[in-house]
Amino acid sequence: KNQVEQSPQSLIILEGKNCTLQCNYTVSPFSNLRWYKQDTGRGPVSLTIMTFSENTKSNRRYTATLDADTKQSSLHITASQLSDSASYICVVSAKDSNYQLIWGAGTKLIIKP
Amino acid sequence: NAGVTQTPKFQVLKTGQSMTLQCAQDMNHNSMYWYRQDPGMGLRLIYYSASEGTTDKGEVPNGYNVSRLNKREFSLRLESAAPSQTSVYFCASSEQGVGKQYFGPGTRLTVT
Repeated sequence: KNQVEQSPQSLIILEGKNCTLQCNYTVSPFSNLRWYKQDTGRGPVSLTIMTFSENTKSNRRYTATLDADTKQSSLHITASQLSDSASYICVVSAKDSNYQLIWGAGTKLIIKP
Repeated sequence: NAGVTQTPKFQVLKTGQSMTLQCAQDMNHNSMYWYRQDPGMGLRLIYYSASEGTTDKGEVPNGYNVSRLNKREFSLRLESAAPSQTSVYFCASSEQGVGKQYFGPGTRLTVT
């Protein structure tokens, strides 16, 4: 069964610190992996989309990695800011998926001043 | 550009009532989607429209109907609301296929 598991479920860190969020998936055949940021009460916003051949992709202070062999991805946030408080969702697309994406439940990140 | 807009933002229904959630995008996107988001779960696809004039079922279509009114607008209808449909509903659009999706602000629906 195609699944996306994220860890931890929630995380609290101090402003200015770094953190890494994990995503494991069992989607096959793999097409691409996305990370979304969802602020409370808002819709998800795309951070990155990574294909099979991409190992690392950066978007400002966000760096996503992908290991397609072990079916793992991580999202590293550098020098966290209060505005980084949000849920971060890992989403995987399968080839021939008929427009369906497999969504993780998300990691809720809280940045404390 | 407003992006993806949804109305209403909040709605409370009694069991058995009907309502339509409206969604519009101004990015000239071909594909549009309706999702629901429940606590502790990933987003689940209800229906999608690959292009104007076509609609298809997603993972959880039961109890819902959709209309792709034109390229801009994609509505979701609940014919007879049930408490199990209490959720946050998101509309999204993408330029083509399962590309980068842009989401609306959501509609928080409570069915009592």
